[in-house]
Amino acid sequence: EVQLVESGGGLVQPGRSLKLSCAASGFTFSNYGMAWVRQAPTKGLEWVATISYDGSSTYYRDSVKGRFTISRDNAKSTLYLQMDSLRSEDTATYYCARLLYVLFDYWGQGVMVTVSS
Amino acid sequence: DIQMTQSPASLSASLEEIVTITCQASQNIGNWLAWYQQKPGKSPQLLIYGTTSLADGVPSRFSGSRSGTQYSLKISRLQVEDIGIYYCQQASSTPWTFGGGTKLELK
Repeated sequence: EVQLVESGGGLVQPGRSLKLSCAASGFTFSNYGMAWVRQAPTKGLEWVATISYDGSSTYYRDSVKGRFTISRDNAKSTLYLQMDSLRSEDTATYYCARLLYVLFDYWGQGVMVTVSS
Repeated sequence: DIQMTQSPASLSASLEEIVTITCQASQNIGNWLAWYQQKPGKSPQLLIYGTTSLADGVPSRFSGSRSGTQYSLKISRLQVEDIGIYYCQQASSTPWTFGGGTKLELK
């Protein structure tokens, strides 16, 4: 059974940093691209970043480019999202998702990030 | 960015009723369209990909179709377990974008 378990969320002040992790199991992690998708409170879904199966390629939405870094450790079957210079508009539930080519076929349960002073 | 305009924003329907949700793409995305279902308090689940293909385990009462740049999700006979929010997503080009969602409730 595919499982994706996010961790590392919490309350952080504007301008500070936070690092999210996503532990994967139930599939060969190194064979799949992975992504982060977020959902602001009572809002819709927003793609944040994507990384290729081997970590060689990364893609970001413009609003997080230069502030967020997606990475992975295939030996540990873990996906990461380093979030720097956080803003109030980054407040959201962050989901880790497995990529089936360009689709999100499995999602984690999500982790809440609140950016507030 | 490709805009995905989803309608209606909310929908109230009776059990066994036919339900249709639409998504209008701002430009040609071919068949690079997926639908997701998010049940209350849960994470989204892939429902349909490639405009018409059902994901594993999805009941056959769900179907997808396309007319030009307008995409539709149809539930042929609404069941209690279908309640939730539905999102379309274009996978034609980055940034991948989602529709605003359709909240489906029971009448």
